[in-house]
Amino acid sequence: GAVVSQHPSRVICKSGTSVKIECRSLDFQATTMFWYRQFPKKSLMLMATSNEGSKATYEQGVEKDKFLINHASLTLSTLTVTSAHPEDSSFYICSAPSSVETQYFGPGTRLLVL
Amino acid sequence: AQTVTQSQPEMSVQEAETVTLSCTYDTSESDYYLFWYKQPPSRQMILVIRQEAYKQQNATENRFSVNFQKAAKSFSLKISDSQLGDAAMYFCAYRNSRLRDDKIIFGKGTRLHILP
Repeated sequence: GAVVSQHPSRVICKSGTSVKIECRSLDFQATTMFWYRQFPKKSLMLMATSNEGSKATYEQGVEKDKFLINHASLTLSTLTVTSAHPEDSSFYICSAPSSVETQYFGPGTRLLVL
Repeated sequence: AQTVTQSQPEMSVQEAETVTLSCTYDTSESDYYLFWYKQPPSRQMILVIRQEAYKQQNATENRFSVNFQKAAKSFSLKISDSQLGDAAMYFCAYRNSRLRDDKIIFGKGTRLHILP
């Protein structure tokens, strides 16, 4: 079946550095991908919608300059956390719709900022 | 704006018994999808069951079934013959169905414990 991958699965970085997370649809093309953030024992919070060939659409309250999204191709979207701080530590999940009925989720990336 | 509400933060059920997780939603749309997702400790999101709003028949997947009440905007999940592997967070979710690229809106989740 269709699969969405994320890389890296976990990353530890120092405060002030930038971290890039990749989301790939492995056997289908996705003009749109979604980026979620999940705090421990909480629900998925949609951060932004990544659009191939155009700017991402950010949800209210999400800093565009902090969370840079680039939809480089029909199978790849990247989320860059710029100048990361400890409060950015979280679990980040991407998803991509393969059809009207079906959306696949990546395995997630655990980010820890020291 | 659409909303999804799960009023049970946690539930427990004895192994082999049946449990029902509740979900209500709000929308002004007539055509949409509803989902139940399972998130085990690995945190990988797994689709449990999907219901199209235009279908009156309740969706069923093996031990999992839903009770979809469109007028009441209710979408509960019934798990029969509960197994230890069913222990997880369960999220009710909504998506408009007109476009493939519409976003999914999640409820806050219900943590299900299976008692051996």
